[in-house]
Amino acid sequence: KAGVTQTPRYLIKTRGQQVTLSCSPISGHRSVSWYQQTPGQGLQFLFEYFSETQRNKGNFPGRFSGRQFSNSRSEMNVSTLELGDSALYLCASRPGSNTGELFFGEGSRLTVL
Amino acid sequence: AQSVTQLDSHVSVSEGTPVLLRCNYSSSYSPSLFWYVQHPNKGLQLLLKYTSAATLVKGINGFEAEFKKSETSFHLTKPSAHMSDAAEYFCVVSYNTDKLIFGTGTRLQVFP
Repeated sequence: KAGVTQTPRYLIKTRGQQVTLSCSPISGHRSVSWYQQTPGQGLQFLFEYFSETQRNKGNFPGRFSGRQFSNSRSEMNVSTLELGDSALYLCASRPGSNTGELFFGEGSRLTVL
Repeated sequence: AQSVTQLDSHVSVSEGTPVLLRCNYSSSYSPSLFWYVQHPNKGLQLLLKYTSAATLVKGINGFEAEFKKSETSFHLTKPSAHMSDAAEYFCVVSYNTDKLIFGTGTRLQVFP
């Protein structure tokens, strides 16, 4: 069974641009969560989607948004990029929204110049 | 508030010596507890999980953890460290299996 796939793995953007990251969950998993990881703040929860609906949301500004498609694939978008948005963005999937174990992808490393 | 505390941000051990990574959770109704490992520039991989079955949980790569309700602890141990164990380790707690709370991580260094 293929694992969680995130694209792109690495990308470089400049301040003010926007970026879209993609996540394909494990087949059959309907829940997708997004996390931001930085050396200073550690792992921070962005949001979770289940069956195309946002179930939980972390404490991030509205510049961070996401969506989930009917095939459970998810995208997250960050608009008006800031230097502080440089981070490793991790996607994780699980079968349902009430099963604890998360399966993580390898992440998308975003650098904002 | 529900929380999880990893007591050490860095742990250094010599290869072949025991590993102990400490984790405490805030006391509430029965939690589910997990340990994840993250190697550099990689995602997180599940090492082991506790979900109210046996209190001693065995995971991958020789790791195990013991759930101690009286101490609200879920420490991760391994009898003999290997160089490949060098990584960051996260303790995670979930109280209603919906939201997961991550610890701040412990970086394990293994010296030859």
